[in-house]
Amino acid sequence: QKEVEQDPGPLSVPEGAIVSLNCTYSNSAFQYFMWYRQYSRKGPELLMYTYSSGNKEDGRFTAQVDKSSKYISLFIRDSQPSDSATYLCAMSTGSQGNLIFGKGTKLSVKP
Amino acid sequence: DVKVTQSSRYLVKRTGEKVFLECVQDMDHENMFWYRQDPGLGLRLIYFSYDVKMKEKGDIPEGYSVSREKKERFSLILESASTNQTSMYLCASSLSVDNEKLFFGSGTQLSVL
Repeated sequence: QKEVEQDPGPLSVPEGAIVSLNCTYSNSAFQYFMWYRQYSRKGPELLMYTYSSGNKEDGRFTAQVDKSSKYISLFIRDSQPSDSATYLCAMSTGSQGNLIFGKGTKLSVKP
Repeated sequence: DVKVTQSSRYLVKRTGEKVFLECVQDMDHENMFWYRQDPGLGLRLIYFSYDVKMKEKGDIPEGYSVSREKKERFSLILESASTNQTSMYLCASSLSVDNEKLFFGSGTQLSVL
């Protein structure tokens, strides 16, 4: 079983839709959970950062962590064409050099 | 804003050439990282560094070396480039040992012919 699993998509939604992106993981020692957004031909940029379980909201974005199910989610409300990008989940136990990335989900939001 | 700058956006090199990829960050971050990103394989850590002159192997260090002579600069070296090193190379930095937030550069797309 891979340490972090993420559906690569592609996922195509109409503008205004609610988008749900997910990752599952196997290492129960992960404590730090992140979502990165990567536009085409650019480096990833940190979008959301969560420690341990719970929800975090930032504008149209909500990150959820369910450690009991080893499952994290990113929700995008009122999706916009500018949200079209690849979304990477990442997680860590807290030891430097141990940030594990999912392979990314490619999202396309159609006008 | 943190800025991580990679010296080249696109590079084309020949098999056997020695290749230098340069990365500079401007926010006095302790940690710097080199990843490669390939379709279907995602991001893979090559090397990282906690401090000047310090380096640690990541998941795929074979065929690569690094240099960190100054805090702000982290170089990735391909001693003898091979076609299987054709990839997108991403440099990143983070503030300190216990800070997991990475800031990435825009990447260097390297083609080895």
